[in-house]
Amino acid sequence: AQSVTQPDIHITVSEGASLELRCNYSYGATPYLFWYVQSPGQGLQLLLKYFSGDTLVQGIKGFEAEFKRSQSSFNLRKPSVHWSDAAEYFCAVGAQDTDKLIFGTGTRLQVFP
Amino acid sequence: EPEVTQTPSHQVTQMGQEVILRCVPISNHLYFYWYRQILGQKVEFLVSFYNNEISEKSEIFDDQFSVERPDGSNFTLKIRSTKLEDSAMYFCASGTVAETQYFGPGTRLLVL
Repeated sequence: AQSVTQPDIHITVSEGASLELRCNYSYGATPYLFWYVQSPGQGLQLLLKYFSGDTLVQGIKGFEAEFKRSQSSFNLRKPSVHWSDAAEYFCAVGAQDTDKLIFGTGTRLQVFP
Repeated sequence: EPEVTQTPSHQVTQMGQEVILRCVPISNHLYFYWYRQILGQKVEFLVSFYNNEISEKSEIFDDQFSVERPDGSNFTLKIRSTKLEDSAMYFCASGTVAETQYFGPGTRLLVL
């Protein structure tokens, strides 16, 4: 069965520091991978997606993610975090044979000045 | 930039009452979805809708749930007889292709 694991429930970083949020997935076929961000009281905003091709994908707000098939991972990175990046981040996996996205439990990012 | 919109933003209802949650997908999108997020839990898929019919549904989406696209712009989720455990944030999503889903801001439903 498909599953997504985000091992870090809560991460705290200082503004200007680099960030890496971890995501591991389990799926038999080639997955579609997504990162969404949810600010307090807001909906889910798509940051970036991977379907195929270049394993390093660029997204909005300066985020990038790298698909590593050998590690079943799709970690989200940002070189320098801004206070406005404080939010909850969700990794999700989809596939060609299903409409549904499977979401991870989310990682809450806190940014200190 | 076009967005998915949802109304109402919050709804409080009594157990056993019917509720209709409304969504206006992005105008050129053809695929429509509902998800829910119970407080403190994962976002869960409920149903997908394409070409005026349900294309996929989860085990959560039982007979008390229904979806409809009553006109060219709205997409609704109806819960016929709400239960306490239906309290959640309900997200609508839409996409031009099946693979990419854009989410609305959600409707927070509280069943008392």
